[in-house]
Amino acid sequence: DGGITQSPKYLFRKEGQNVTLSCEQNLNHDAMYWYRQDPGQGLRLIYYSQIVNDFQKGDIAEGYSVSREKKESFPLTVTSAQKNPTAFYLCASSAGQGFGGYTFGSGTRLTVV
Amino acid sequence: RKEVEQDPGPFNVPEGATVAFNCTYSNSASQSFFWYRQDCRKEPKLLMSVYSSGNEDGRFTAQLNRASQYISLLIRDSKLSDSATYLCVVRGRAGGTSYGKLTFGQGTILTVHP
Repeated sequence: DGGITQSPKYLFRKEGQNVTLSCEQNLNHDAMYWYRQDPGQGLRLIYYSQIVNDFQKGDIAEGYSVSREKKESFPLTVTSAQKNPTAFYLCASSAGQGFGGYTFGSGTRLTVV
Repeated sequence: RKEVEQDPGPFNVPEGATVAFNCTYSNSASQSFFWYRQDCRKEPKLLMSVYSSGNEDGRFTAQLNRASQYISLLIRDSKLSDSATYLCVVRGRAGGTSYGKLTFGQGTILTVHP
């Protein structure tokens, strides 16, 4: 079945450490996105990519970095510059510009210890 | 003003009740509209798209009023399994360098009790 796979499901980070969250899709979607969700809040866009080798900052990109070397993959690195990284991170994809919604992965829950 | 606003609730209703959620959006150029459902500690999943003429899917009815920039979701004959957070989602106009991003409301919490 086609879908989006995020890993790991849970991740613990020490202060000052960079960590990378994986997102892979086999839906042949052009566009991919990273969102962050904090308790009781809506989703906020971190980065998005409409095409391979291109990506754009979202609303809260500071302290994060991404790459899009392959259509299927859009990893997110949470750097030590991100001061409050504890959150639920969701990766999504869509067929690109158009009218449709997004398909989400099952998320990674990141905790700073 | 937030781009997409919802009443956060929570809504606590008995099984069999009818419940309605409302949502307003600020960008009149918005192009597509959706309701997503999110279970506790899970990812959001598309419940239904919202069309200008209104649309129904079983017990769920969605309405869109572009003039008032207002979206609604009606759930009839509530089930215990309907308990979740319901997210109102708006997609901007795509074109040129704009990809037409999705903007999410903060969600409305629904609890259906026996």
